[in-house]
Amino acid sequence: GAGVSQSPRYKVAKRGQDVALRCDPISGHVSLFWYQQALGQGPEFLTYFQNEAQLDKSGLPSDRFFAERPEGSVSTLKIQRTQQEDSAVYLCASSLEHGSYLNSPLHFGNGTRLTVT
Amino acid sequence: AQKVTQAQTEISVVEKEDVTLDCVYETRDTTYYLFWYKQPPSGELVFLIRRNSFDEQNEISGRYSWNFQKSTSSFNFTITASQVVDSAVYFCALSGYAGKSTFGDGTTLTVKP
Repeated sequence: GAGVSQSPRYKVAKRGQDVALRCDPISGHVSLFWYQQALGQGPEFLTYFQNEAQLDKSGLPSDRFFAERPEGSVSTLKIQRTQQEDSAVYLCASSLEHGSYLNSPLHFGNGTRLTVT
Repeated sequence: AQKVTQAQTEISVVEKEDVTLDCVYETRDTTYYLFWYKQPPSGELVFLIRRNSFDEQNEISGRYSWNFQKSTSSFNFTITASQVVDSAVYFCALSGYAGKSTFGDGTTLTVKP
């Protein structure tokens, strides 16, 4: 596809349920990022992949959050035992760039809006 | 640690007015990159411009212009003759050695007809 695709667009989960959010990056993009965006705030970094390697997961808020990108393309962000504070928009972005410095722009998907009730 | 501050939470202007969005950043990296993104109501963040820390030339692209001043750690964005379609949330972002981008909290711009 032409852009970054995320699914589902909206997800409502009951507290305690597990959810899986999918990201399909732009073909050929090496780097993939997950961000969390709370209402009225900027995106907050969660984790970063270069191909299939997860290079940085320092932004994951707890061990209930897990991300993978097994074949270096599609990525899944999984949240176990969801809590109300997990409610946010989860953004996926991909970039051509790889290496220590990210100087290529990020291409974002439309995000998944997660609501935990 | 990196930090990006966008002090203006909301700005409202009337069409054809000029408007400047402020961005101040903090980083210990000597090499870094600055970005502006636009997030329209549809939700998808769209890249507008990138600047590296060694290039302080100002840039103009149509009605958009950017002023990078390393001495004041600022990277401000000006829209000339604003239009209703410019209404969106604008984010400033910083990327350094860690390879991830740090975003400000955004400025919501409303352009009224």
